[in-house]
Amino acid sequence: DAGITQSPRHKVTETGTPVTLRCHQTENHRYMYWYRQDPGHGLRLIHYSYGVKDTDKGEVSDGYSVSRSKTEDFLLTLESATSSQTSVYFCAISGGWTEAFFGQGTRLTVV
Amino acid sequence: DQQVKQNSPSLSVQEGRISILNCDYTNSMFDYFLWYKKYPAEGPTFLISISSIKDKNEDGRFTVFLNKSAKHLSLHIVPSQPGDSAVYFCAASARDNNDMRFGAGTRLTVKP
Repeated sequence: DAGITQSPRHKVTETGTPVTLRCHQTENHRYMYWYRQDPGHGLRLIHYSYGVKDTDKGEVSDGYSVSRSKTEDFLLTLESATSSQTSVYFCAISGGWTEAFFGQGTRLTVV
Repeated sequence: DQQVKQNSPSLSVQEGRISILNCDYTNSMFDYFLWYKKYPAEGPTFLISISSIKDKNEDGRFTVFLNKSAKHLSLHIVPSQPGDSAVYFCAASARDNNDMRFGAGTRLTVKP
């Protein structure tokens, strides 16, 4: 299995609070991604990174920011959590434009 | 703007029969296509892929077919086994743009 770890695995937070999810890899892969999974929508790309300090927006980036200060870590921040951001978040890593390897997911509930 | 579409939310087949999962895409820049399998409470796992220069790729019981003119791909599982029961996601990516897009998924149930 690819060395990819998400933390925390579960989190409950209140509306309006900032939340940061962490993705850590030990594979030295260049590309890292954050997706959210919601019923009926599949996996939707939030942000991705193609190198240290190089990031770009995905299809559902509003309300989210990311940072990648070193190869192994990719942080996703919900600047002010809303109930619509209740979801399961997956981090993925890839060495190129081919297959990606996913973490176990973080279940976030915003109350 | 969903660029990858899986129009069948669910599929049920009998053990031993063929399962066919379908996927359509709209972006002609996509040149690499993948299928992922997901069990509950786990992350998706890579299953099989195909490059746009091919029309078929086979790996054991799994075969992916690509029809570029129709912007359509399909995953065939034969024979289907109860352990294949999972949600299957179709995904696509482009060489010059590394954001990988996914469909909504198809839940496959293989009945013993």
